[in-house]
Amino acid sequence: NAGVMQNPRHLVRRRGQEARLRCSPMKGHSHVYWYRQLPEEGLKFMVYLQKENIIDESGMPKERFSAEFPKEGPSILRIQQVVRGDSAAYFCASFQGAGSPLHFGNGTRLTVT
Amino acid sequence: KNEVEQSPQNLTAQEGEFITINCSYSVGISALHWLQQHPGGGIVSLFMLSSGKKKHGRLIATINIQEKHSSLHITASHPRDSAVYICAVSYGGSQGNLIFGKGTKLSVKP
Repeated sequence: NAGVMQNPRHLVRRRGQEARLRCSPMKGHSHVYWYRQLPEEGLKFMVYLQKENIIDESGMPKERFSAEFPKEGPSILRIQQVVRGDSAAYFCASFQGAGSPLHFGNGTRLTVT
Repeated sequence: KNEVEQSPQNLTAQEGEFITINCSYSVGISALHWLQQHPGGGIVSLFMLSSGKKKHGRLIATINIQEKHSSLHITASHPRDSAVYICAVSYGGSQGNLIFGKGTKLSVKP
C-alpha cells in the first residue's frame, strides 16, 4: 500500500513562471491537506480539500495560489507567477476520516531563481 | 492568539538517555499531534491525542488538558532518533488545520 506520493521532489522555476505540485493521497483517502514550510520557519496550514471540493482555504495566500482535488487524479497545488518568496517545501497529507491519523508525503522543494 | 511553544529548541543527548520534549499551547484544543521530521525532510505522524497518554515502542506522549501542556518522551534513545520533533494542535476546525510549533531538533550521539 503506497504512502502519500508527492512529485516532483524538487522543482526549480524562474520568477514569473508557474509551479504545479502534485499529491496523490493514500489509497482510500479522500481528504488532502497542503502545508508550506518556509526556510527556517515552521509548517503552516494552507488548504483542506476533499474530492472536488475546497473545504477550508483559510491559509492560502489570496493571490497566485490555487488548489484542486479532482474526482480522478492527484491533488494539485498551483502557484502562478512565482516569486522568490515562494521558495519553500510544500507538504501534503491525507487521511481517511475523522479521528484517523494524518499521513504525510515527502514534500516538494520549490526553488525560485 | 493561538500559539504553540516547544522547548527546548535544540537538544543533544548521548545514546541511551531518556529524552523529554515539551509543548505548551494557549487555548483549548481538539487534538494535539507529535510529528517527526527526518534530516531528509520527510514527516511522520507519531501520535494524535486529546487526553491521557499514548505509547508506541520507545515513544510516549502525554497531555494535560488543564495545564495546556504535552510531553514527548523517548526512552533508551538511539542515534536514529535524531530528527526534528514537531508539536501541532487543532482548535476545532478541520482535523488537519493545524498550528505548528517551531520544532525541537534532537541529536543523539553514539
